[in-house]
Amino acid sequence: AQSVAQPEDQVNVAEGNPLTVKCTYSVSGNPYLFWYVQYPNRGLQFLLKYITGDNLVKGSYGFEAEFNKSQTSFHLKKPSALVSDSALYFCAVPGGGNKLTFGTGTQLKVEL
Amino acid sequence: DGGITQSPKYLFRKEGQNVTLSCEQNLNHDAMYWYRQDPGQGLRLIYYSQIVNDFQKGDIAEGYSVSREKKESFPLTVTSAQKNPTAFYLCASRSWAAGNTIYFGEGSWLTVV
Repeated sequence: AQSVAQPEDQVNVAEGNPLTVKCTYSVSGNPYLFWYVQYPNRGLQFLLKYITGDNLVKGSYGFEAEFNKSQTSFHLKKPSALVSDSALYFCAVPGGGNKLTFGTGTQLKVEL
Repeated sequence: DGGITQSPKYLFRKEGQNVTLSCEQNLNHDAMYWYRQDPGQGLRLIYYSQIVNDFQKGDIAEGYSVSREKKESFPLTVTSAQKNPTAFYLCASRSWAAGNTIYFGEGSWLTVV
């Protein structure tokens, strides 16, 4: 079965510092991988996806993600964090029946 | 505006009542989904529908029912058989033409009182 894991429940980073939110995957075949962000009391917003091609994927709000096949990882990154980036981040992978399976989420807190 | 509209945003249910959450999309998307979100547990799939008049159970379908009579609409009924319905419910949709990207509505909070 296709699955993703987010090993950190929470990540704290100072504003202006680079941030990384981790995701590892377990899939058969070529992986499609997604990142979503959720602000409090809101739906999920699509950030970026990896299908094939360049290992560095650029997305919305200055975020990017690095696909690493040997480490089966798809970490979300941003060179300089903002307080407004504080939110819940989900990694996801398509499963059977064309549905998405989500990780448990990582709460990002960016502090001044 | 194009998008996915969920209503109501907040809903309170008494014990033994059925309630229905509305989800409407004007994106002309083919597939629609219902997820449940509980704190610390991520999202779990309740039901999904890939075409009109067809739907499949997800991972936690017990106590829920859906219908897909129109392409734009995918209402979710939380029945009295669902013993712990208090949660945040998210509707989503996807177009085959846009690949595997799923887009979400703003969610509905259901609380049992």
